[in-house]
Amino acid sequence: AQKVTQAQTEISVVEKEDVTLDCVYETRDTTYYLFWYKQPPSGELVFLIRRNSFDEQNEISGRYSWNFQKSTSSFNFTITASQVVDSAVYFCALSETTSGTYKYIFGTGTRLKVLA
Amino acid sequence: GAGVSQSPRYKVAKRGQDVALRCDPISGHVSLFWYQQALGQGPEFLTYFQNEAQLDKSGLPSDRFFAERPEGSVSTLKIQRTQQEDSAVYLCASRAGGYNEQFFGPGTRLTVL
Repeated sequence: AQKVTQAQTEISVVEKEDVTLDCVYETRDTTYYLFWYKQPPSGELVFLIRRNSFDEQNEISGRYSWNFQKSTSSFNFTITASQVVDSAVYFCALSETTSGTYKYIFGTGTRLKVLA
Repeated sequence: GAGVSQSPRYKVAKRGQDVALRCDPISGHVSLFWYQQALGQGPEFLTYFQNEAQLDKSGLPSDRFFAERPEGSVSTLKIQRTQQEDSAVYLCASRAGGYNEQFFGPGTRLTVL
């Protein structure tokens, strides 16, 4: 069955610390897509990154980086030198191709609190 | 507007009332999704439209939930005879096509008393 697990319910860090948010997924598809979204207190989900199952290259965007490891079915997200503005709930999502709709299956989210 | 908009942002209904939630997707986006997000949980899929066709409604929790997109743009999610368990944030998302990322609206927070 398709499933996304974000085992960390809440993480608190002090500003400038690095933090890694974990995401583990389950799927029977060979072709699928993984996403990370940020949900600030305003509630709107903000797209951060998309990764397809054939591209295992890690990606860096400013202070953000993502580590995709197919062997462990993980797609972890690291924020370097965290800032207070990074405080939000972060969701990992899986999109399978066999459904035809590419609908998302979300994890339960990780609430990140960055303290000044 | 550049993004997905939803209205109303907040809705309070008495148990048994009908409600209608509106979504305006990004112009030109053929795909439209509705998700339900309970407090402290991740969003859960409700239904999917490609243009005006509702291709997947497998996530609708009961026959009290109904969605439409008659002209392939604006969509309405209707909940009949609301129950307390319907209280949640209802998110709408649109997508240009295929495997591209979905863009989400701000959501409608529904509270059923």
